[in-house]
Amino acid sequence: DVRLVEAGGALVPPGRSLRLSCSASGFSLGDYNMHWFRQAPGKGLEWVGLIRSDGYGGTTEYAASLRGRFTISREDSNRIAYLHLNNLKAEDTAVYYCARDSFFYCGKDDCPRAGLDCWGQGTLVTVSS
Amino acid sequence: DIMMTQSPDSLAVSLGGRAAINCKSGQSVFFDSNNKSYLAWYQQKPREPPKLIMYWASTRESGVPERFSGSGSATDFTLTISSLQAEDVAIYYCQQYYSHPITFGQGTRLEIK
Repeated sequence: DVRLVEAGGALVPPGRSLRLSCSASGFSLGDYNMHWFRQAPGKGLEWVGLIRSDGYGGTTEYAASLRGRFTISREDSNRIAYLHLNNLKAEDTAVYYCARDSFFYCGKDDCPRAGLDCWGQGTLVTVSS
Repeated sequence: DIMMTQSPDSLAVSLGGRAAINCKSGQSVFFDSNNKSYLAWYQQKPREPPKLIMYWASTRESGVPERFSGSGSATDFTLTISSLQAEDVAIYYCQQYYSHPITFGQGTRLEIK
């Protein structure tokens, strides 16, 4: 069964760092692009960044507003992806989700699936003094 | 960034009634090379993560009831629920995956009238 479980959320004061984890079961993280999203209380969904599959070099990409403070890494052997949050601010308060991207390619005559087909349950980060 | 705008912000429909949620993208999310619109829909119930219900604008995710359908192309899309059930109460989001950054609509809250 395919499953993602986030952990590491906490109440921290502004300026602190935090590391969130996303543990995968039922599939290998290196086979998929993996995204992080966040959702502030009562608000919509915001893309944080992604780490690409091994086939795409495991490179990372981030939302422009977060670049430099947030980084994503991955330990394939342990099936864990991480989101490192640095210099946290009050506006970073949110539930953070990891999600698997099922899109690989889409050609004219062969176009398999797409979409973020597996999400973790989320982990809450609260930044407050 | 591609801006996604949904309408209405909230919607109340009677049980068994039809619900339609619209999504408009700030630029086309259609690829000519494969005739696909890179548009997905998600359902989010309280205290749960989003759940994928539609991709390629009109392809239903496995296990999603047939009363859910998606339509549209390029910049204008619609998610329709043909016969609303109590379990469909949720916030619905459209999302484009045509280019990074991935962007979502602001969400449409669907309730029972």
